[in-house]
Order: sequence, then structure tokens, then C-alpha cells
Amino acid sequence: DIQMTQSPSSLSASVGDRVTITCRASQGISDYLAWFHQKPGTAPKSVISAGSRLESGVPSRFSGSGSGIEFTLTISGLQPEDLGSYFCQQYYSDPVTFGGGTKVEFK
Amino acid sequence: QITLKESGPALVKPTQTLTLTCNVSGFSLSTTTVGVGWIRQPPGKALEFLALVYWDDVKRFSSSLKSRLTITKDTSKNQVVLTMTDMDPVDTAAYYCAHTKLGVYRYFNNWGQGTLVTVSS
Repeated sequence: DIQMTQSPSSLSASVGDRVTITCRASQGISDYLAWFHQKPGTAPKSVISAGSRLESGVPSRFSGSGSGIEFTLTISGLQPEDLGSYFCQQYYSDPVTFGGGTKVEFK
Repeated sequence: QITLKESGPALVKPTQTLTLTCNVSGFSLSTTTVGVGWIRQPPGKALEFLALVYWDDVKRFSSSLKSRLTITKDTSKNQVVLTMTDMDPVDTAAYYCAHTKLGVYRYFNNWGQGTLVTVSS
């Protein structure tokens, strides 16, 4: 199985900050990577697919980049509704696998 | 509008078998490329893929849990059912079902609200 390693596991930031989360795959996965945002007590919601494609309705402050092994999710101008956890998922090969998550909190 | 909703017992005893049902609407389980999967999340922890069934009845399973899992679909009832045998307290988690499509966008793009299952005697 492909292992997905996320970093950091948690971070504290202020409203307006630029936040970067990294996901590293144990082998190349082309751009078959999605990012999810999960607010406390709710189901995950996809924000990025195919490494960099913004999902419909997701604010443009979210962006994704990367290909192969290393991927990045960037939030440019953190907003209060962005708190929660972020997960990556590879869908290059079966079984699909998720990263360990990054919890975003406000200072 | 695609919606999914999980149902099942909130509490199961150790060694029992868990049966969860996912009721779907807004799409058909017989439509080419459609898939429905199950994912779980222990409290405060990461997401873990469990199982997935496609429109053509092709199935995929977690490598570590496949011996305990069964997934079936009933197209006429718009339901996908997951069973997990020999439940243990470490299986306590929120269980989600989610929609996906075979192909280059094979990620879980729509999720149910989840159902919390506690394993305790």
C-alpha cells in the first residue's frame, strides 16, 4: 500500500496568515491526490483534486501544487471558517490511502 | 444532488458483527463508473479506507482489514451495506460512506454525515 505522510500534524496561525501543509507519498502517484477539509463534528469535504484542481464552490484562497511524491496545500489568507483538520488522499492505486491529517488552530 | 446517509447500531459488543447501511440518492448504483466506499475515523484520529464497491460489482478492500469486511450493494434499494466481523474496542469510530467515480478523479467527492459506532461490553 502507498503510505501518505502529512506534515505538520498540527499548527497554530492567525487570521490572514499564509498556511502550508505538505503531503508526501511513499512512491510516485502522478497527480492523483485530493485534499479534504474537516470542520469539527462534520464529515470531510473535498477542496482540491488532481493535485491542483479547485473544487466547485471552494474559495480561491485554497490552492494545491505538486506531482509525483510531494504535494502542498496552501491557504493564502487564513479565515476563521478554515479551522479544523486537513487530510490528503491518494487515488493512484488500490487501496486508496489517506494522510495522517493536519489540525489547524488559531493563535 | 448527491446525498448519502449512514445507519446502523450506535453500540456493539466485542466479538459481534457490525452491519452498516448507506442509503444513497441523487445517483444510481448501476451508473457506469459510480462507486460507494466506506471510511472510518477513530475519535481525534485519521481517516482510514475500509472498502469500496463499483457499479459493476468490482470491490476493493483495506489490506489490513479485508479478512473482516464484506461489502454489497442493492441497486433496487439504493443501498450499500458494509459488515465487519469480530468487533473490538479499537474499532470505535465514526463510519462514513462516500461517493466516488472510477477514472482519473477516483477520490471521495461526496460524503455522508457519518455514524458513530462504539464497541464496548
